[in-house]
Amino acid sequence: GEEVAQTPKHLVRGEGQKAKLYCAPIKGHSYVFWYQQVLKNEFKFLISFQNENVFDETGMPKERFSAKCLPNSPCSLEIQATKLEDSAVYFCASSLTTQGGYTFGSGTRLTVV
Amino acid sequence: KQEVTQIPAALSVPEGENLVLNCSFTDSAIYNLQWFRQDPGKGLTSLLLIQSSQREQTSGRLNASLDKSSGRSTLYIAASQPGDSATYLCAVYTDKLIFGTGTRLQVFP
Repeated sequence: GEEVAQTPKHLVRGEGQKAKLYCAPIKGHSYVFWYQQVLKNEFKFLISFQNENVFDETGMPKERFSAKCLPNSPCSLEIQATKLEDSAVYFCASSLTTQGGYTFGSGTRLTVV
Repeated sequence: KQEVTQIPAALSVPEGENLVLNCSFTDSAIYNLQWFRQDPGKGLTSLLLIQSSQREQTSGRLNASLDKSSGRSTLYIAASQPGDSATYLCAVYTDKLIFGTGTRLQVFP
């Protein structure tokens, strides 16, 4: 079946290093979403894209975090100068609409040491 | 701002019990509601998706209801099994998916 592919599965970075995470959405899905899951299960919305355009970035930290979805390339989430509190699992999802039926990837576990 | 709360936060029960997990949301203007399961260290497994025009959905031993006007949903698990042990997440769709706080369920033999 079709799936949302996230790479890498695990990423370890020293504090201050850059981290880049990738997400390949399901072909034909117009929307891509990034979520951050920290301890205690809290899921925080970061950003969404409609095709290559930012749709909603209200959850993105203003500094250090950036994301892109370029044509014919996996989407990416980049964290400049990582901090210990960035340690989390980052999930990507894609969908035909914003209103339901998101398909989630298996996540990237980022550990900042 | 939409907020989604789940009660209880944690639940430990013996095998065979029927369970009710509760979810409440502050803004009734939602499109759909979805229940997920997450096993420790794993991703999300979709359990049930309830469209805003529906009142409930059923899959096997799981039944989820939705009352939009009161901002509530319940997930009913019949005849619980140790394999049901996981965290259960309720989430509502607005222009994005907003997750609840989760219920950590442990079913012991």
